[in-house]
Amino acid sequence: DAKTTQPNSMESNEEEPVHLPCNHSTISGTDYIHWYRQLPSQGPEYVIHGLTSNVNNRMASLAIAEDRKSSTLILHRATLRDAAVYYCILRHREGSGNTGKLIFGQGTTLQVKP
Amino acid sequence: KAGVTQTPRYLIKTRGQQVTLSCSPISGHRSVSWYQQTPGQGLQFLFEYFSETQRNKGNFPGRFSGRQFSNSRSEMNVSTLELGDSALYLCASSPGFATNEKLFFGSGTQLSVL
Repeated sequence: DAKTTQPNSMESNEEEPVHLPCNHSTISGTDYIHWYRQLPSQGPEYVIHGLTSNVNNRMASLAIAEDRKSSTLILHRATLRDAAVYYCILRHREGSGNTGKLIFGQGTTLQVKP
Repeated sequence: KAGVTQTPRYLIKTRGQQVTLSCSPISGHRSVSWYQQTPGQGLQFLFEYFSETQRNKGNFPGRFSGRQFSNSRSEMNVSTLELGDSALYLCASSPGFATNEKLFFGSGTQLSVL
C-alpha cells in the first residue's frame, strides 16, 4: 500500500492560516489524495480530496505538487474547532477493481491556540 | 439525511465472550467498511462490504468477521474476545467503492474487554 508521511504535530494561532504537509513519494498515477480529520471522541470526518489539480471547498484547500509526490492541506483561518488529528490518505485501485479501503497513518495533531 | 449509526455506543465484555456490533449506513449507501482504532496501532482497516459481498479484508485473525444485509446494514462479530480487542470500532459508508468517493464515519462503538 502506498504510504504517506506527515509531521506528528503542528501548532497554529487562531484566525491564522495553517499549512499541513504530506509526502507520498510512492503515489501511483491513479491514486486519489484524501484528507480526513478526527476530532476528539468522534469518527473521522472527510475534509477534501484531489487527483492532480488543486481543489477548494468550504472547509479547506488542497494544493498538490506537480509531480504529485507531496500535497498540502490549507486551512485558511484556523479556529479552535479545527483542533484535530489530520490524516492524509492515498486511495488506489487494487487488482481488477476499486477499493473502499483507507490506510491511515499516524496523522498530524493540530493544536490551535487562542 | 441521517448519518451513519453505530450501536451500541459502549460495550463491556469479558475475555472469551463474543460480541456483535451493528452499523446502519446513510440511506442509499451500499458500501460499508469497518475500522479498529487503538492508541497503539491507530486506525486499521478490518473489512469492506458492497452489496452483501466482502470486497476486501484487512490483516486481522479469523475471530473477526462481518456481514452485510440486503438493506446495506452491516454487522461485525468478534468471537473469543481477548484483552487486546479493546478498541473503538468505527464503521464508514459510501455510495459505492470508487476511489474518488468520500467515506462517512459513525461515532463508533467503544468496546472494553475485561
